[in-house]
Amino acid sequence: AQSVTQLGSHVSVSEGALVLLRCNYSSSVPPYLFWYVQYPNQGLQLLLKYTSAATLVKGINGFEAEFKKSETSFHLTKPSAHMSDAAEYFCAVIPNSGYSTLTFGKGTMLLVSP
Amino acid sequence: KAGVTQTPRYLIKTRGQQVTLSCSPISGHRSVSWYQQTPGQGLQFLFEYFSETQRNKGNFPGRFSGRQFSNSRSEMNVSTLELGDSALYLCASRQEHNSPLHFGNGTRLTVT
Repeated sequence: AQSVTQLGSHVSVSEGALVLLRCNYSSSVPPYLFWYVQYPNQGLQLLLKYTSAATLVKGINGFEAEFKKSETSFHLTKPSAHMSDAAEYFCAVIPNSGYSTLTFGKGTMLLVSP
Repeated sequence: KAGVTQTPRYLIKTRGQQVTLSCSPISGHRSVSWYQQTPGQGLQFLFEYFSETQRNKGNFPGRFSGRQFSNSRSEMNVSTLELGDSALYLCASRQEHNSPLHFGNGTRLTVT
């Protein structure tokens, strides 16, 4: 079985500050991991994915995430927040073998203040 | 390539009615998944179809059903609507089982 825990339903940062959104996973087999972003009244857009290649993954809009097996974590970071980053972010996991569906975390709403 | 297309974008229905939502996946994607998104429950998996066969099913009552056609387009149906069915219904397609999901913009269903 697999699951994802996102710490913090809301994260507030100032424009220009570091963004850190936390994601921890549990999976019975090595997983693939994804981060998605959702803007109001839209679907989810893929930010980045980890598929067992490099542990540091770069995505769109300046975001990156690091896979740490020892900590079962896949935290999302961005060095400098923009107002346009305000959205809801979802971490998701799927086993890298067998057939299964994506399991999503509850989401973290990122608030960016001027 | 065109993205995942969902129609309609908004729907208002009355309790007891039924509704059909439509999804056209990205060209070449044979897998289509459906999710229900609500503020309280987050993203909940409904079902996934691959080449017209249901591959996985979430924990929803039998009022929720779906199907996939030979051109990979999918529909989901909800019968005997309840107030709690009000949600954003998201469709997503993928190329193979561990590929990322690509989402449509959803159908916002309001049940009154």
